[in-house]
Amino acid sequence: DAGVTQSPTHLIKTRGQQVTLRCSPISGHKSVSWYQQVLGQGPQFIFQYYEKEERGRGNFPDRFSARQFPNYSSELNVNALLLGDSALYLCASSPTRAEGTDTQYFGPGTRLTVL
Amino acid sequence: KQEVTQIPAALSVPEGENLVLNCSFTDSAIYNLQWFRQDPGKGLTSLLLIQSSQREQTSGRLNASLDKSSGRSTLYIAASQPGDSATYLCAVGGIYNFNKFYFGSGTKLNVKP
Repeated sequence: DAGVTQSPTHLIKTRGQQVTLRCSPISGHKSVSWYQQVLGQGPQFIFQYYEKEERGRGNFPDRFSARQFPNYSSELNVNALLLGDSALYLCASSPTRAEGTDTQYFGPGTRLTVL
Repeated sequence: KQEVTQIPAALSVPEGENLVLNCSFTDSAIYNLQWFRQDPGKGLTSLLLIQSSQREQTSGRLNASLDKSSGRSTLYIAASQPGDSATYLCAVGGIYNFNKFYFGSGTKLNVKP
C-alpha cells in the first residue's frame, strides 16, 4: 500500500500570496492531521480532521484553514502569507480519531518558502 | 499546555556504542508517546509507540521506556550504526486530544564510522 502522499514537494511564494497544500492519507485511514515544522524545531499541530469534520485546532491564526474530502484526502490553505510561514508542512494519517493508541503515519512534507 | 523537552539537543558517538536519548513532558495525563526518526529535509518515520499503560516497547535494536508518573521517556539504541544518524523526535499524545501530538525539538544524532 502507498504511504501518505503530499503535493507539491516544494513551493516558493511571495508575501501576501495564498497557498494550497494537498495530502492523501493511507488507504483506509479516516483521520488526517496537519503540522508545521520550522527549521530546527519539532512539528507543531495545526489541524486534525476526521470524517470530514474538524476535530482539533492548534494555536494558529485564522489565515490557516483546512478541509477534508469524502475520499479522506485533505487540503491546507494559508492566506496572506508571511515570511514566518516558511516551514515544512507535514500531513499525518491514522485509522481512527477516537483511538489514542493509533500510530501516526507521516508524509514526506511540503517545503514552503515565502520570499 | 503540554511541554516536551528532549536532551541532549545533539549527540555524536562512535559506531558500536550504546546510547540513550531522553524525553521529558510536563503533563502526565498522556494517552501515548511515540518516537520518530527524521532524516534531513524528510518526513517522520515512526519507530515505537508506547501506550500510557505500558512501561516499554522494543523493536530490533531500539527500546523505548515510559515513566508516566515522572514525565519521562527514554529511547535506547543498541550497537549504534552510521545509518542511525538522524534527528529523533519524541511526541506525546494527550488524553483529551487524540491524534494531536506535542513534539519535542529533537535530538540530532551523529554516529561516526
